[in-house]
Amino acid sequence: GNSVTQMEGPVTLSEEAFLTINCTYTATGYPSLFWYVQYPGEGLQLLLKATKADDKGSNKGFEATYRKETTSFHLEKGSVQVSDSAVYFCALSDDAGGTSYGKLTFGQGTILTVHP
Amino acid sequence: EAGVAQSPRYKIIEKRQSVAFWCNPISGHATLYWYQQILGQGPKLLIQFQNNGVVDDSQLPKDRFSAERLKGVDSTLKIQPAKLEDSAVYLCASSLGYAGVTYEQYFGPGTRLTVT
Repeated sequence: GNSVTQMEGPVTLSEEAFLTINCTYTATGYPSLFWYVQYPGEGLQLLLKATKADDKGSNKGFEATYRKETTSFHLEKGSVQVSDSAVYFCALSDDAGGTSYGKLTFGQGTILTVHP
Repeated sequence: EAGVAQSPRYKIIEKRQSVAFWCNPISGHATLYWYQQILGQGPKLLIQFQNNGVVDDSQLPKDRFSAERLKGVDSTLKIQPAKLEDSAVYLCASSLGYAGVTYEQYFGPGTRLTVT
């Protein structure tokens, strides 16, 4: 079955530091890949997505590249801000065979805390 | 554009009691999802509707959980009887959703259920 694995443990950074959150996946077909963000007290929001190999998703200074050869979709940002403090979820949607209606499989989430 | 609405936002019940959650998706969205998010984990799909038909309920504990989507719009998720392990945030999401096409899912704020 499909699965998503994110790096374990919370991440704590100082403002303007470089961020990487690792994400690897297992899928039976050709999935689309997503990063969702959950800010404190708010619902899940789509941060970025990539629908095919070598695509790069980007938004708000965050980037992630769909690497089929390493089955990875790592999230990066060059300079984090305090306002980036949130929980980040990697997810995939596997539409193999055209029978899926976009069901998402999520990783366990990574808590990011950015200090001034 | 109004987002996905959910109610109640919080609910505390005793084990063996019943509870119901309501979701109103974004207007025109054909696909509706219910996810369960246990503390420290990523959301897990419980059930997925396409209009008012069930597409996927493979992870729904059918001995205690039930869901319906009235006239292809609003949806209700019910738990009867509740167990301690049902304590979680229940998320509703909706998307335009057609088979084989990946559309963005929009999430509601969730209902936090505590079973004591």
